[in-house]
Amino acid sequence: QKEVEQNSGPLSVPEGAIASLNCTYSDRVSQSFFWYRQYSGKSPELIMSIYSNGDKEDGRFTAQLNKASQYVSLLIRDSQPSDSATYLCAVIYSGTYKYIFGTGTRLKVLA
Amino acid sequence: DTAVSQTPKYLVTQMGNDKSIKCEQNLGHDTMYWYKQDSKKFLKIMFSYNNKELIINETVPNRFSPKSPDKAHLNLHINSLELGDSAVYFCASSRGTISNYGYTFGSGTRLTVV
Repeated sequence: QKEVEQNSGPLSVPEGAIASLNCTYSDRVSQSFFWYRQYSGKSPELIMSIYSNGDKEDGRFTAQLNKASQYVSLLIRDSQPSDSATYLCAVIYSGTYKYIFGTGTRLKVLA
Repeated sequence: DTAVSQTPKYLVTQMGNDKSIKCEQNLGHDTMYWYKQDSKKFLKIMFSYNNKELIINETVPNRFSPKSPDKAHLNLHINSLELGDSAVYFCASSRGTISNYGYTFGSGTRLTVV
C-alpha cells in the first residue's frame, strides 16, 4: 500500500528560527510532490510543488526533494507565529490521478 | 470571487437522514474531487470527476453518490447517514487530470451526524 508519512508533531520553533518539516513516501516511482498549509478550521492551501531532485525556493519557503532516499522536506526560514498551522505533504504516484496525503505535521511558532 | 465554493458550511443531521453537499468552481478547471478529512486530520480521496466523467471512485460505501452535471459542479449525496460519516468534506479542483498544478480546495463542509 502506497504511503506518505509525516511526524504529527507538534514541532515547536521560536520566532525567527528555521522550521524543518519532513515527509517520506513509499513508492520509488513517484512523480510530483506538494506541500499544503492548513490553518485550524480552514481548508488546505497549496504552498509549493516540486518535481525534480534538489531545492526549490519561493520566498521564505524551500522545498527539497531526494528521490533516491524517498523524502521531501519543507524549510521555513524566519518563522513567524502566523506560520503556525498543519503542513500536509502530498504525493502523486505514477499511473494514478490522485494525491496521497500525509497525516500532516503541526507547527507551532513561539513568539 | 470565491474560486471553489461549497454549501452548506455546517450540516447537523440525524442518523438515517439523506443529505447533499454542493460544490461549484469558477476557475475553469477540468477536474473536481471530493475528500473526507477525519478527526485526526487525515485527508482521503473519495471521488474525482474529469469533464463530468468519473475517474476515481475509492472504496467508499455506496450510500455516497457523486453527481457532476457539468465540469464546474460536483455534488455529493449521502443516503442513510451514519455516526461514522461525521467529518469535514472538502471539494477541490485542479487543472488537467494528473493535477500536477495542485489543488484548490473549497472551504469545507463540517458534517455532524447525531
